[in-house]
Amino acid sequence: KQEVTQIPAALSVPEGENLVLNCSFTDSAIYNLQWFRQDPGKGLTSLLLIQSSQREQTSGRLNASLDKSSGRSTLYIAASQPGDSATYLCAVGSGNKLVFGAGTILRVKS
Amino acid sequence: DAGVIQSPRHEVTEMGQEVTLRCKPISGHNSLFWYRQTMMRGLELLIYFNNNVPIDDSGMPEDRFSAKMPNASFSTLKIQPSEPRDSAVYFCASGSGRAGADTQYFGPGTRLTVL
Repeated sequence: KQEVTQIPAALSVPEGENLVLNCSFTDSAIYNLQWFRQDPGKGLTSLLLIQSSQREQTSGRLNASLDKSSGRSTLYIAASQPGDSATYLCAVGSGNKLVFGAGTILRVKS
Repeated sequence: DAGVIQSPRHEVTEMGQEVTLRCKPISGHNSLFWYRQTMMRGLELLIYFNNNVPIDDSGMPEDRFSAKMPNASFSTLKIQPSEPRDSAVYFCASGSGRAGADTQYFGPGTRLTVL
């Protein structure tokens, strides 16, 4: 059974800092890995999707990497801003579904 | 496109009552997913439809839960009878590919409170 773990559970940083969120998964047989953002009281918004054959994806200040063999992914946020404050969820496409981690709650202080 | 539409956004009901949640997926998407999110268990897939056919309902917690997709533009999730432990946020998502293989687009969710 695929399990996804995210570390840390919560993170508070000052504005402008670069930061890394971590995601690990137990079964390397995945289609892809996705990072989502969830704002309080809202649904999930897809940020980046990395196919299993890819190593990384970039969008603006976000960069996600994937090391399938070790079961790890990182989401790098450059020059963090207060508007980046949200919960970030990692999900792996495995079998017939997306399996989600519990998320990292990020707070960027101005 | 308006995105995935869910109704109602909030539902408060009493234990034992029937609850029906509704979802309109993005036009052209052939996959639809119902999820439940709680603090204790995180985000869990309840059921997945492809081309209106239920493919995987292994996440449906018990017989009190049922889901239908009568056509490509509408799905319902019904709980009968509801219990306090069903209180959660229920999300509907749609996608254009195989489950787990492509991006899913989430609706805003329905916050259900069962008293």
